[in-house]
Amino acid sequence: AIQLTQSPSSLSASVEDRVTITCRASQGISSALAWYQQKPGKPPKLLISDASTLESGVPSRFSGSGSGTDFTLTISDLQPEDFATYYCQQFNTSPFTFGGGTKVEIK
Amino acid sequence: QVQLVQAGGEMKKPGASVKVSCKASGYTFINYFVHWVRQAPGQGLEWMGLINPRTGGTDYAPKFQGRVTMTRDTSINTAYMEVNRLTSDDTAVYYCAREGNWDRKLDYWGQGTLVTVSS
Repeated sequence: AIQLTQSPSSLSASVEDRVTITCRASQGISSALAWYQQKPGKPPKLLISDASTLESGVPSRFSGSGSGTDFTLTISDLQPEDFATYYCQQFNTSPFTFGGGTKVEIK
Repeated sequence: QVQLVQAGGEMKKPGASVKVSCKASGYTFINYFVHWVRQAPGQGLEWMGLINPRTGGTDYAPKFQGRVTMTRDTSINTAYMEVNRLTSDDTAVYYCAREGNWDRKLDYWGQGTLVTVSS
């Protein structure tokens, strides 16, 4: 199975900071990667698909990039509602594995 | 509007089975795969498998092959996932989510069903 390694596993940041989360795949997955945001007690929310396609209704401060094995999620101007846990998921090969998650906390 | 509605929580004893439901509305059920994802308390997301409601075809993660069965009833737009031989490690919130035909994203999710396994 393809393994996805997210880093860091957690980070502390302030409002208006720029935050970057990395997702590395154990083998090439083209651009078949999605990013989700999850808040406590809620299901994940889709942010980005195909590595860089912003989903409708998602603020433009979120962006994704990468292909092959290395991907990034960037939040350019962190807002209070962005404090959450973020997951990547690959859709290149079944099983469609998730990364371990990155918790973004308030500094 | 698109909704995936899951039934309430379940309490089961070790060795028992549980069947979790996911009722879809607001879209054409057979046009979207249904994936199942679980999350143990305080842990990350774990992909379990998917079902194609149009054909009934399934794809299970190797870890769950032989212990999980995904089915659907197209007459009531509902997908099901049954997990057998439960252990305490199966205590988790189980989510269903939909994917358009090979859209490579899970765009709508159910609210989750908490399954607690305890003697």
